[in-house]
Amino acid sequence: QKEVEQNSGPLSVPEGAIASLNCTYSDRGSQSFFWYRQYSGKSPELIMFIYSNGDKEDGRFTAQLNKASQYVSLLIRDSQPSDSATYLCAVGPYMEYGNKLVFGAGTILRVKS
Amino acid sequence: GAVVSQHPSRVICKSGTSVKIECRSLDFQATTMFWYRQFPKKSLMLMATSNEGSKATYEQGVEKDKFLINHASLTLSTLTVTSAHPEDSSFYICSPRLGAQGYTFGSGTRLTVV
Repeated sequence: QKEVEQNSGPLSVPEGAIASLNCTYSDRGSQSFFWYRQYSGKSPELIMFIYSNGDKEDGRFTAQLNKASQYVSLLIRDSQPSDSATYLCAVGPYMEYGNKLVFGAGTILRVKS
Repeated sequence: GAVVSQHPSRVICKSGTSVKIECRSLDFQATTMFWYRQFPKKSLMLMATSNEGSKATYEQGVEKDKFLINHASLTLSTLTVTSAHPEDSSFYICSPRLGAQGYTFGSGTRLTVV
């Protein structure tokens, strides 16, 4: 059974600090990795995705992927109170295959001002 | 781009009635649609996958006769919860596939069955 594991949190960080969110996955054949942010009562919104080992940066967000360790992380620099939400990690096959993603249970992030 | 419209956003219905949830892709064509449900403080649970013009593929444990999915066009997919019961109360979210850009989500429908 394919699994995606995340620490449920809550992870509390002060405003302006770096928040580090982690995710591990069981299916070694996974090829696409996504981070979503979900505010309470709302549907998830895509933050970024990554396909290749290494880092991918987009503004204050950096996704890091290590396929050998089956580990993907999300760093949020200069954390803001508005970043307080649940962050969902999702893992899947090649996007061109169009198959379903497997979601982690999410990590609650709280940024304190 | 990739605007998804999901309606209604909230619905309250009586036990035994049916509720239809619509998901429209406004500026793209969605050949594949995923339907999820989410309980409070839990992650997304995939219910079914539908491809335009084909029957939906349901995940194990999801009753296909209770959760009717129709994907008759590339811009509209519907989920009908039939003979709803209180345990069907949940947050239902559609998610069209965007190809290499991954997946986006509708705004969700909060269903409360009383």
